[in-house]
Amino acid sequence: AQSVTQLGSHVSVSEGALVLLRCNYSSSVPPYLFWYVQYPNQGLQLLLKYTTGATLVKGINGFEAEFKKSETSFHLTKPSAHMSDAAEYFCAVSEGGNTGKLIFGQGTTLQVKP
Amino acid sequence: NAGVTQTPKFQVLKTGQSMTLQCAQDMNHEYMSWYRQDPGMGLRLIHYSVGAGITDQGEVPNGYNVSRSTTEDFPLRLLSAAPSQTSVYFCASTRGSLRGYTFGSGTRLTVV
Repeated sequence: AQSVTQLGSHVSVSEGALVLLRCNYSSSVPPYLFWYVQYPNQGLQLLLKYTTGATLVKGINGFEAEFKKSETSFHLTKPSAHMSDAAEYFCAVSEGGNTGKLIFGQGTTLQVKP
Repeated sequence: NAGVTQTPKFQVLKTGQSMTLQCAQDMNHEYMSWYRQDPGMGLRLIHYSVGAGITDQGEVPNGYNVSRSTTEDFPLRLLSAAPSQTSVYFCASTRGSLRGYTFGSGTRLTVV
């Protein structure tokens, strides 16, 4: 069965500092991996995704993530945090194919301090 | 282009009442899913569908029922509401597993 673990329910960084949000997954087949962002009182918005091909993927708002099969990880990074990045971030895994089944991690709340 | 539309946005129910949360998408997406979001638990999959007439259970299906009679609509039914079903519910749709889901704005449900 698929599962996702996000290390750290809360991460706090200073404005301009590196953002690193950790995600590890478990999947019996090559996974499709996603990062979503949720701003307060809103739905989820897709940040980026890995399906096949290049393991370093770039998303919106300057975020990127690297798929590391040997470490079963898909950590999200941004070189320089902005106040507007404060939100909750979710990592998710899909087994692809025709299942349509997407499983989420517990989420990480990012706080950005001035 | 409305995307994924959920109604109502807010609802208060008494224990034992039943209700249906509505979800409609206008993007001709085959795949649709229902999630509940609770603090510290992320989003948990309730039910999902890969096309009209096809549904399957997710991680937390008990107490919920779904049907998919058309591509556009995927209603979620609470059979007999319980306080443990107090949550924010999200509906989502996608054209395929490669694309990522598009989410609705959610329904905040309180069961008293």
